[in-house]
Amino acid sequence: DVKVTQSSRYLVKRTGEKVFLECVQDMDHENMFWYRQDPGLGLRLIYFSYDVKMKEKGDIPEGYSVSREKKERFSLILESASTNQTSMYLCASSFQGAKNIQYFGAGTRLSVL
Amino acid sequence: KQEVTQIPAALSVPEGENLVLNCSFTDSAIYNLQWFRQDPGKGLTSLLLIQSSQREQTSGRLNASLDKSSGRSTLYIAASQPGDSATYLCAVRTRDTDKLIFGTGTRLQVFP
Repeated sequence: DVKVTQSSRYLVKRTGEKVFLECVQDMDHENMFWYRQDPGLGLRLIYFSYDVKMKEKGDIPEGYSVSREKKERFSLILESASTNQTSMYLCASSFQGAKNIQYFGAGTRLSVL
Repeated sequence: KQEVTQIPAALSVPEGENLVLNCSFTDSAIYNLQWFRQDPGKGLTSLLLIQSSQREQTSGRLNASLDKSSGRSTLYIAASQPGDSATYLCAVRTRDTDKLIFGTGTRLQVFP
């Protein structure tokens, strides 16, 4: 079974803090993705990576950065957390190629106070 | 720009009913379409993936159809059960990209 693991289910941070969200997959997938999910807006792509050290901006990259130093791990970084970044964050991974299914982690619910 | 819409936003049905969830997309040049299930506070689980050359896919009580020319997909759930209660999301993949564009989902409640 494919496993995509997000390190925290719930996080509470203060405005201005630097926040790291970690995601690890065990299927040797080339692609990894970070989404945020908000009521009424659905899932929106923040960043994705198609190989180690490679990244591409999604639809809403502002206020976020990412790091992919190893194939299995993809980190989302909030340089200076703000209250409008309170959201559910979902990580996904897939093999390259448009026929391949994306597998999702359980999500991290982040609250920024 | 591709936009994906799901109607209705919420649906409540008695156990045993057959039901249809709708997904529409504005740009018919898609590579494939995927249906997901999301339980409250959880991640997404892939249910069915339909390639653009296919018209339908089936898995157990689920059947997904695709009409690319009209920009529509439906997810048919036969003999619904309380365990089917969840949010159902569709997502399209446009050509030559690994990125998905999601609809906002249909929240389904099946009551005993």
